[in-house]
Amino acid sequence: KAGVTQTPRYLIKTRGQQVTLSCSPISGHRSVSWYQQTPGQGLQFLFEYFSETQRNKGNFPGRFSGRQFSNSRSEMNVSTLELGDSALYLCASSGLATYEQYFGPGTRLTVT
Amino acid sequence: AQSVTQLGSHVSVSEGALVLLRCNYSSSVPPYLFWYVQYPNQGLQLLLKYTTGATLVKGINGFEAEFKKSETSFHLTKPSAHMSDAAEYFCAVSDRGNSGGYQKVTFGTGTKLQVIP
Repeated sequence: KAGVTQTPRYLIKTRGQQVTLSCSPISGHRSVSWYQQTPGQGLQFLFEYFSETQRNKGNFPGRFSGRQFSNSRSEMNVSTLELGDSALYLCASSGLATYEQYFGPGTRLTVT
Repeated sequence: AQSVTQLGSHVSVSEGALVLLRCNYSSSVPPYLFWYVQYPNQGLQLLLKYTTGATLVKGINGFEAEFKKSETSFHLTKPSAHMSDAAEYFCAVSDRGNSGGYQKVTFGTGTKLQVIP
């Protein structure tokens, strides 16, 4: 099986812009979770989608949003970018056992 | 509520020496426990997991971990470090709950392992 893929791998944006990141889960997986990883805060949970519905959400401002399509692919969007949004954004997919997560390589976002 | 504490943000060992990375957890219910490894600019890879059964769990690359309920610990070990083991390691805990079908996973802050030749 192909693993979790994330595009793009690297992104440079300017403050105030918006960005969309994409995640394609492992075939057959319907749950997709998003995490933000920074040196200071570690791995922080953003949200989780299952069958096109957001089931769980972390403590992030409304500038962070996501969606999931009928083929389970997911996107996350960050609007009005701030310098502090610079991070590695990781996507993980799961089957029925959502505790067993398979991670993609991440998207490195740099905000200047 | 569940939480994970990893003791030591940086650990250095000599090549061939024992690797010991410490993880303590807090969970109100019997937990599922995991160790992940992350190489630079890559995602997390599952090393091993404990869900039920034998408390000594063997994973990939020669790593193993032991679930000790009385100590609320799940330390990661490897008898002999290799240069390729240099990476960041994350301990994680998940409850067995099923709140809407989702079992939340909480990650520790990570331990960077340096292997000295």
